[in-house]
Amino acid sequence: NAGVMQNPRHLVRRRGQEARLRCSPMKGHSHVYWYRQLPEEGLKFMVYLQKENIIDESGMPKERFSAEFPKEGPSILRIQQVVRGDSAAYFCASSRTRSDGTDTQYFGPGTRLTVL
Amino acid sequence: DQQVKQNSPSLSVQEGRISILNCDYTNSMFDYFLWYKKYPAEGPTFLISISSIKDKNEDGRFTVFLNKSAKHLSLHIVPSQPGDSAVYFCAASEGNNNAGNMLTFGGGTRLMVKP
Repeated sequence: NAGVMQNPRHLVRRRGQEARLRCSPMKGHSHVYWYRQLPEEGLKFMVYLQKENIIDESGMPKERFSAEFPKEGPSILRIQQVVRGDSAAYFCASSRTRSDGTDTQYFGPGTRLTVL
Repeated sequence: DQQVKQNSPSLSVQEGRISILNCDYTNSMFDYFLWYKKYPAEGPTFLISISSIKDKNEDGRFTVFLNKSAKHLSLHIVPSQPGDSAVYFCAASEGNNNAGNMLTFGGGTRLMVKP
């Protein structure tokens, strides 16, 4: 059973370009989350999605950032007009609610974005 | 406003001894707590979790203790092994009986287990 897949693993962009990060959840998982980790910090929640719906985007910057989880295909985190401060590791997690009501998130390997 | 804090940035332990990693939280609405282990350049790996209705959960060498009145949890690893050397993150969520709750992470503790 494959885990959460993310690609690319490393992404280099120049200031002003667009970055697209992809995430395929674990099989059977319908919840997808995106987190960002800045250097020497913990992970910070950005957005929670289900198929074709954004459920909670309270951690997403208001400008330049968007996320989607289409009916078919991976979830996409899109950053427009990147700036140096966007350089970070971006992690995707997925989960499903189990019969006991718990909902554990499993993480992908991350995409390391470097903005030059 | 850090709702989940790991006050020890690093911990060094001898192989075979117990490692105790601590975590404090301020949000009384948190009711589900998790520990993740992270190696450099990899994603966090789920280790163990505990619901607020319990005060202890054990899985092999890993035990998590929850003290709700003190808003404190700890992860015990015994015996510690060199392969346990990693950064450990404490995370919390609220309303876990509902699906899809965001996790709030602590800043992490780097554990080094010396052979």
